[in-house]
Amino acid sequence: AQKVTQAQTEISVVEKEDVTLDCVYETRDTTYYLFWYKQPPSGELVFLIRRNSFDEQNEISGRYSWNFQKSTSSFNFTITASQVVDSAVYFCALSESGYQKVTFGTGTKLQVIP
Amino acid sequence: DAGVIQSPRHEVTEMGQEVTLRCKPISGHNSLFWYRQTMMRGLELLIYFNNNVPIDDSGMPEDRFSAKMPNASFSTLKIQPSEPRDSAVYFCASTSRAPNTEAFFGQGTRLTVV
Repeated sequence: AQKVTQAQTEISVVEKEDVTLDCVYETRDTTYYLFWYKQPPSGELVFLIRRNSFDEQNEISGRYSWNFQKSTSSFNFTITASQVVDSAVYFCALSESGYQKVTFGTGTKLQVIP
Repeated sequence: DAGVIQSPRHEVTEMGQEVTLRCKPISGHNSLFWYRQTMMRGLELLIYFNNNVPIDDSGMPEDRFSAKMPNASFSTLKIQPSEPRDSAVYFCASTSRAPNTEAFFGQGTRLTVV
């Protein structure tokens, strides 16, 4: 069975601070896919990144970066120099190879204070 | 592309009434998912279809819930009879034919059963 744990329920940071959102996953498969989604206050779910289990390279996209470590089953997300527009709920998710079913974590609510 | 379209955006109904939620996936996508989001349970996968065929409905909470996908461009989620505990935001999402690709979500239907 697959499981995604986001232990941080809520985080508050002051604008321009860096913040890391933790994600720990469980799966018995050797091939799997990890995702991050953003849900702003408007409610829609926005895809941010997809990573397969064979690609452990960290990725950077602007102020966003992702650290994938298979040894610790973690896929953490860092926002550098946070902005108020980053305030949202962030979800980590997992799907196993060959399956379209995606399991979501419970989400981390990030509040960036001006 | 217009993205995944859900209707209605908001629905308020009385307990015992039938509720039908509608979804139009992105053209060319062959998998469709219905999720329910609540504060208590987070994002739950209710059911998903592949090529219009239901693949996994293990998340459907009760027999009061049913989903159909009569063609590649339309799906419905029906609750009959509705109960106050069904109040939630219901999301529809679709993915392309490639396996384990990211899901694109609709804006959701906020259902309130009074």
